[in-house]
Amino acid sequence: EDKVVQSPLSLVVHEGDTVTLNCSYEVTNFRSLLWYKQEKKAPTFLFMLTSSGIEKKSGRLSSILDKKELFSILNITATQTGDSAIYLCAVEGTYKYIFGTGTRLKVLA
Amino acid sequence: NAGVMQNPRHLVRRRGQEARLRCSPMKGHSHVYWYRQLPEEGLKFMVYLQKENIIDESGMPKERFSAEFPKEGPSILRIQQVVRGDSAAYFCASSPANGYEQYFGPGTRLTVT
Repeated sequence: EDKVVQSPLSLVVHEGDTVTLNCSYEVTNFRSLLWYKQEKKAPTFLFMLTSSGIEKKSGRLSSILDKKELFSILNITATQTGDSAIYLCAVEGTYKYIFGTGTRLKVLA
Repeated sequence: NAGVMQNPRHLVRRRGQEARLRCSPMKGHSHVYWYRQLPEEGLKFMVYLQKENIIDESGMPKERFSAEFPKEGPSILRIQQVVRGDSAAYFCASSPANGYEQYFGPGTRLTVT
């Protein structure tokens, strides 16, 4: 059965800390892996990863995929309170996406 | 370019009534996906549609649930004879083609009383 597992489930850090969020997967016919940030509204797209070893970067966020070990990490450096959210990982299989349950990140001032 | 639009944002139904959720994809997007998010759970895939076609409905309950994406107009997720367990947030996402990133709508929060 296809599955996506995120860890940790929740995380509390202080502003300025660096965090690493993990996403491991077992999905047949892997096509891509996506990271989303979900606050009180719908998830917003962060990254789409298809190739191993190529880091994608956007400001303080970066992500990389390892297709051999079947995982991805999302790094956030110099965290801010506005980074507090649920971070969702989704893996695209054939015609559908399998989502993890997310990592709930809380950044304290 | 307006984002994905969903309406209503909040919907309250009594047990046994019908719920209709609408999703208008982003301009230029012809692929629509519906997801359900139960409290404390992640998003669960329900159905994937293109215009006038259901591509994959493997995540949708066999009974009471149906979805369509007509040639004209929004995609509709229909739940007949709702039960309390249908209470959830229902998200719609669209993409220009399969394999591209999906953009999510704000969701419809369904409450069944």
